[in-house]
Amino acid sequence: DIVLTQSPDSLAVSLGERATINCKSSRSVLFNSNNKNYLTWYQRKPGQPPKVLIYWASTRESGVPDRFSGSGSGTDFTLTITSLQAEDAAVYYCQQYHDRPTFGQGTKLEIK
Amino acid sequence: QVQLQESGPRLVKPSETLSLICTVSGGSVSGGSDYWSWIRQPPGKGLEWIGYITYSGSINYNPALQSRVTISADTSKNQFSLKLRSVTVADTAMYYCARESPHPGKFDPWGQGTLVTVSS
Repeated sequence: DIVLTQSPDSLAVSLGERATINCKSSRSVLFNSNNKNYLTWYQRKPGQPPKVLIYWASTRESGVPDRFSGSGSGTDFTLTITSLQAEDAAVYYCQQYHDRPTFGQGTKLEIK
Repeated sequence: QVQLQESGPRLVKPSETLSLICTVSGGSVSGGSDYWSWIRQPPGKGLEWIGYITYSGSINYNPALQSRVTISADTSKNQFSLKLRSVTVADTAMYYCARESPHPGKFDPWGQGTLVTVSS
């Protein structure tokens, strides 16, 4: 299985600042056939299921604020959240679909 | 808008079978091109994909659970189900059903999830 390792495990960032979460894959998740990275980012708030933020590593899901952006290719990916709001406090997960689906361990974001 | 809802017993005894049903509304388990999946998260641990059933009835399981898992669908009720046999305390988890879209490889939406506890 492809292992996804997120860093950091948790972070605390001030309101209005930028948060950066990394996701490193044990193998490339890029499909050469369509040049797409099968890497999705989710946000999960307490008592709720995960919600898709970004798919194909950098495509924002409909309705997701443009403060959320994804980047990276191959094995290294980043989720960036700018102008942090109080409601961005959550656990964030990356997930790959190049092989049998696996998830990162999650990164807890606290807003200071 | 597709919505999913899990249902089933919240408490299962060790060595017995865990059975859950996911009811789909706003979409069809036998239409489109999507897959219908189960995912779980034990307390304090990561998310684990269990398996899926496709719109055409094809099935794929996580090899780690394959010997104990059965996923099936009842198209007349627009539901799909999970059976996990010979459970142990390690199978205690929040169980989610979700729609799996292979392109682009995302799970969306998810059900609210149901916590199943394995205990005597």
